[in-house]
Amino acid sequence: SYVLTQPPSVSVAPGKTARITCGGNNIGSKSVHWYQQKPGQAPVLVIYYDSDRPSGIPERFSGSNSGNTATLTISRVEAGDEADYYCQVWDSSSDLVVFGGGTKLTVL
Amino acid sequence: QVQLQESGPGLVKPSQTLSLTCTVSGGSISSGSYYWSWIRQPAGKGLEWIGRIYTSGSTNYNPSLKSRVTISVDTSKNQFSLKLSSVTAADTAVYYCAGYSSGWYCEYWGQGTLVTVSS
Repeated sequence: SYVLTQPPSVSVAPGKTARITCGGNNIGSKSVHWYQQKPGQAPVLVIYYDSDRPSGIPERFSGSNSGNTATLTISRVEAGDEADYYCQVWDSSSDLVVFGGGTKLTVL
Repeated sequence: QVQLQESGPGLVKPSQTLSLTCTVSGGSISSGSYYWSWIRQPAGKGLEWIGRIYTSGSTNYNPSLKSRVTISVDTSKNQFSLKLSSVTAADTAVYYCAGYSSGWYCEYWGQGTLVTVSS
């Protein structure tokens, strides 16, 4: 089955740029979606189709996907961005949805 | 705006069947190309996709749970449901219902409901 690998944690100072990676075999050939989840809340879609932002998501959130790594980039990080972030793909070969293990973003 | 709401028992005994229902409001469950899904999250852990159903009735399940899972849809009530049999403490989690677009990103999430498996 298809596996997505994320770093368990990423730390960044306010105002700096955070990059959260999502690794998978030839992930560049798939569409990657990213969710933000704050404690006690349901996840929220922040990036879809690798780099598109839903309405209401700040332009500070961006995404890229190439080769074996997709990346969620958060520019000018704010305290309110502290959350868990999950990448997700649909594996067409198995018709299954796959989540990465999640990355806890800590704002120092 | 489409909204999803989970309902069902918050406590299930070991070996019994967990049953949850998701009510879709603000739109018809049959309209559009949405895949209605269940996702769970044990405390302090990541998201696990359980399975999905299309309004045609077509289903697919996570292989790790496939032998115990059934997802069904009732279009007359604008609901879809989850049944998970032979539960153990490992099935204790927050269960989310969700609506996936045809592009396989989750547009709609329920608020989640905690189900505890305990005698």
